[in-house]
Amino acid sequence: GAVVSQHPSWVICKSGTSVKIECRSLDFQATTMFWYRQFPKQSLMLMATSNEGSKATYEQGVEKDKFLINHASLTLSTLTVTSAHPEDSSFYICSANLAGGPYNEQFFGPGTRLTVL
Amino acid sequence: DAKTTQPNSMESNEEEPVHLPCNHSTISGTDYIHWYRQLPSQGPEYVIHGLTSNVNNRMASLAIAEDRKSSTLILHRATLRDAAVYYCILRDVNTGGFKTIFGAGTRLFVKA
Repeated sequence: GAVVSQHPSWVICKSGTSVKIECRSLDFQATTMFWYRQFPKQSLMLMATSNEGSKATYEQGVEKDKFLINHASLTLSTLTVTSAHPEDSSFYICSANLAGGPYNEQFFGPGTRLTVL
Repeated sequence: DAKTTQPNSMESNEEEPVHLPCNHSTISGTDYIHWYRQLPSQGPEYVIHGLTSNVNNRMASLAIAEDRKSSTLILHRATLRDAAVYYCILRDVNTGGFKTIFGAGTRLFVKA
């Protein structure tokens, strides 16, 4: 099946720094990718939809200036957490749609655990 | 998006079948029923999906009620590796972007 990778798998940073997380579709092209955030014992919360070659669409309540999304190619989307603070510590998960046909199956990356000190 | 309702948690014994229910009374005609599961510290994994008819694959079976207002994910023989959070999700293929909105899911505990 289609594979989505994320890098890094975990990162620890100091408060105030920026962190970039990469999401790659390894064996398929994805015109649309999604970014989720998950806090401990909670469900995944959709943050934004990343569209190749255009601006991302953010869900209500998600700060677009804090969570910068770039989808520069059909296989790569990046999420940059700017000026990270401890409350941004979370598990970030991306996903990509396998386009084609009447049903676009969605594949998820393994997640990136961000810890902000 | 139409909502789904699942029990918060369920428990099963190893090697026994597990039936995970999901209610989706406001489902529309273009909503597909999807099931994903998430093992600890991993991203969600696709399990199965269906529209109207029951579906089987190597991982599980999906039984869909005739009125489509409920469905049941069936794991035929639970193993310890099946301990995960199972999400029942509706995805309208007519919705641009096909984004997936997750509910709370059912946490499945499997006892040896």
